[in-house]
Amino acid sequence: GAGVSQSPRYKVAKRGQDVALRCDPISGHVSLFWYQQALGQGPEFLTYFQNEAQLDKSGLPSDRFFAERPEGSVSTLKIQRTQQEDSAVYLCASSLDRFQNTEAFFGQGTRLTVV
Amino acid sequence: SQQGEEDPQALSIQEGENATMNCSYKTSINNLQWYRQNSGRGLVHLILIRSNEREKHSGRLRVTLDTSKKSSSLLITASRAADTASYFCATVQGAQKLVFGQGTRLTINP
Repeated sequence: GAGVSQSPRYKVAKRGQDVALRCDPISGHVSLFWYQQALGQGPEFLTYFQNEAQLDKSGLPSDRFFAERPEGSVSTLKIQRTQQEDSAVYLCASSLDRFQNTEAFFGQGTRLTVV
Repeated sequence: SQQGEEDPQALSIQEGENATMNCSYKTSINNLQWYRQNSGRGLVHLILIRSNEREKHSGRLRVTLDTSKKSSSLLITASRAADTASYFCATVQGAQKLVFGQGTRLTINP
């Protein structure tokens, strides 16, 4: 596709529900990032993939958060047993190289609201 | 915690004036990147400056980098209402992790 695509754009989940957020990166991009952004804050790093390998998941806030990129392309961020503090915009980004010497392209994000 | 720290947190100026935002970081870098985010949208890359560069221009944007002070500045000249957005700097931690600061919210008043 022309850019990074995320779906759904908006998700309302009841507390305790599991959710899955999808990211389609730009074809051929090696690096893929997930970020969590609270209102008025900067994007907080969650996890990073290089192709299908998850090289850094230090930003995942708890073991309820899980991300995968099984074929080195599409990625899914799963949140189990959602809680109100999980409400945020989840941003996905991809970049061509593995050392971040080129720009990262962002999707529009998924706004998650846990009620 | 975030690698980059932007300053000021918020800036409001009149259309036509110049806007300057600063970013400080803590570790050594290969490059520093600036991004813009309009309300409710994803981030858009503006400019990348490498550690061996001191200044870079792109249209009305001018970025400087001082590796001795671990700081960078973004200057937007002749601001326009459409420049209203949040601006973030980003650096790479470790080999590969791209980390953002908290951003500067810029408001251009017509």
